Amino acid sequence: DTEVTQTPKHLVMGMTNKKSLKCEQHMGHRAMYWYKQKAKKPPELMFVYSYEKLSINESVPSRFSPECPNSSLLNLHLHALQPEDSALYLCASSQVGGRVGELFFGEGSRLTVL
Amino acid sequence: AQSVTQLGSHVSVSEGALVLLRCNYSSSVPPYLFWYVQYPNQGLQLLLKYTTGATLVKGINGFEAEFKKSETSFHLTKPSAHMSDAAEYFCAVRELQNTGNQFYFGTGTSLTVIP
Repeated sequence: DTEVTQTPKHLVMGMTNKKSLKCEQHMGHRAMYWYKQKAKKPPELMFVYSYEKLSINESVPSRFSPECPNSSLLNLHLHALQPEDSALYLCASSQVGGRVGELFFGEGSRLTVL
Repeated sequence: AQSVTQLGSHVSVSEGALVLLRCNYSSSVPPYLFWYVQYPNQGLQLLLKYTTGATLVKGINGFEAEFKKSETSFHLTKPSAHMSDAAEYFCAVRELQNTGNQFYFGTGTSLTVIP
């Protein structure tokens, strides 16, 4: 069972809609990530939060807006998306620094933009 | 920035045959290395990792990988393929930066197991 929970699993939205993806972890990790993944491609990093502060933004369009309300939660707010934004959106968490620090992934939210 | 190369975007093996998935990385410092597996419509699951210590690392589902510093490689192997091993496999390197952990993924290898 995954320890990173993502909701919803599937989302269909129009280009004028506003929706949000949610992610939750209870492993005490202080780094949380959003990745975008197209079919048969590796995950592409979008955002990283360390200690609830945005530490990396990989030049993601402003129609994607991340939010980290507390150390367990990570949201991705979506507005005015384009069809090419359709993808699997993966949330992950990890320790900050340290010798271990692997990424723990959720099962993803499959987004379709019509 | 690190780079990770996975040779062979598609690998096919017969059931019961050896699985070998190749991964090379670029790093001037000892890396932290990972192999992840992804089944259709699922997230990535950690197979195994190398941080320090023993260079032969054993993971889940009978997979193992060997860290070879001189070859900058971290190839994944399994002695006998099973149908359930069919999936996408990603090699990754972790780099510790001031902004936190940064992970670099290879382009992935799709493994097909032929009955």
